[in-house]
Amino acid sequence: EAGVTQFPSHSVIEKGQTVTLRCDPISGHDNLYWYRRVMGKEIKFLLHFVKESKQDESGMPNNRFLAERTGGTYSTLKVQPAELEDSGVYFCASSPGVFGEKLFFGSGTQLSVL
Amino acid sequence: GQNIDQPTEMTATEGAIVQINCTYQTSGFNGLFWYQQHAGEAPTFLSYNVLDGLEEKGRFSSFLSRSKGYSYLLLKELQMKDSASYLCAVPNAGNNRKLIWGLGTSLAVNP
Repeated sequence: EAGVTQFPSHSVIEKGQTVTLRCDPISGHDNLYWYRRVMGKEIKFLLHFVKESKQDESGMPNNRFLAERTGGTYSTLKVQPAELEDSGVYFCASSPGVFGEKLFFGSGTQLSVL
Repeated sequence: GQNIDQPTEMTATEGAIVQINCTYQTSGFNGLFWYQQHAGEAPTFLSYNVLDGLEEKGRFSSFLSRSKGYSYLLLKELQMKDSASYLCAVPNAGNNRKLIWGLGTSLAVNP
């Protein structure tokens, strides 16, 4: 069974540029989550999809961040325009749909904004 | 609010036993997760405790005391490959699908 895949694994961009991160969850998993870890800080929740619907986007930092989940399959997270403080590791995770279940994480995208 | 505390770093010797503690404060409790993360890799699920007591799973066990807001992860017969970060997380009281994470405990296993 293929795991959660994220692309790219690393991205280095300049302040003001746009970056789009992609996540392919495990097939059949309705729940998809985005988390972010800034260096020296804890992992923080960004948002949660159930199929194609956003269930909770309370963790999105501001309106420079836009997440979509086309047809309830893969998801993209776009940052436009990127700022220095957006640097960090962006993790995607998926789960089938029962509370208390484990999350399956991708290896993350290391984003560096210079 | 919700808060999770874990030691930042621990060191142990191959073959030994190590206990990694986690204390949490939350207005509503919906269980506690432990994840393992090797450097540069995805966090992977280790355990989920919702009732008090010890749950054993091979070399790894997890304990929970809800009254004390305390959990620990017990790793036995340590191996070099157990060198990793161990993350404690609890569901948010308002939205139990949103996890609140500790900073993680970086465990170094030495020969």
